[in-house]
Amino acid sequence: ETGVTQTPRHLVMGMTNKKSLKCEQHLGHNAMYWYKQSAKKPLELMFVYSLEERVENNSVPSRFSPECPNSSHLFLHLHTLQPEDSALYLCASSQDRVRETQYFGPGTRLLVL
Amino acid sequence: AQSVAQPEDQVNVAEGNPLTVKCTYSVSGNPYLFWYVQYPNRGLQFLLKYITGDNLVKGSYGFEAEFNKSQTSFHLKKPSALVSDSALYFCAVRSASGSARQLTFGSGTQLTVLP
Repeated sequence: ETGVTQTPRHLVMGMTNKKSLKCEQHLGHNAMYWYKQSAKKPLELMFVYSLEERVENNSVPSRFSPECPNSSHLFLHLHTLQPEDSALYLCASSQDRVRETQYFGPGTRLLVL
Repeated sequence: AQSVAQPEDQVNVAEGNPLTVKCTYSVSGNPYLFWYVQYPNRGLQFLLKYITGDNLVKGSYGFEAEFNKSQTSFHLKKPSALVSDSALYFCAVRSASGSARQLTFGSGTQLTVLP
């Protein structure tokens, strides 16, 4: 589980705050992902960075903004969030090849008040 | 479009009994199938995957899964359940012609093993 790390593990923020989630992978992978996990719903893929190309789910609101400065680091910048954005945010990484598996970090539990 | 169905939100089983967590899928072409487990306050951990070959796949912690192409199923099984197996289990699928990024997850099944 130490292959993909996420900080912070827990975050409470108001709707007017700006915060960032950080993910780092130590597996030498070239693709990284942000997922949103809400109770009793399938994991929702938010963003993918692969070989410096960004792919996003068009349903993700603009108040979520990803940044991938290199293949080992991924950020999710948050601003003016809504209470319904409260969820577990999971980062994952993989090699962007056909047979490869995604590996997940422990997640950041976000509560928006 | 690809999809995964986990028909049971909750599965309860007594310790020592065999367990099954069900998964069916829909995908274009040949599937790559995955099982992940999530313990409380943790991320998803990879358990096993089917890529090709033997329909019975063995994974971590004594779990196995059987790929059934005709029934488009990939049920997770374990011969003897442990209390420590209690967790949330996710099935996932993608097309063999796709990339690692194109993974679709089911909504999860909460497994509770009773002592």
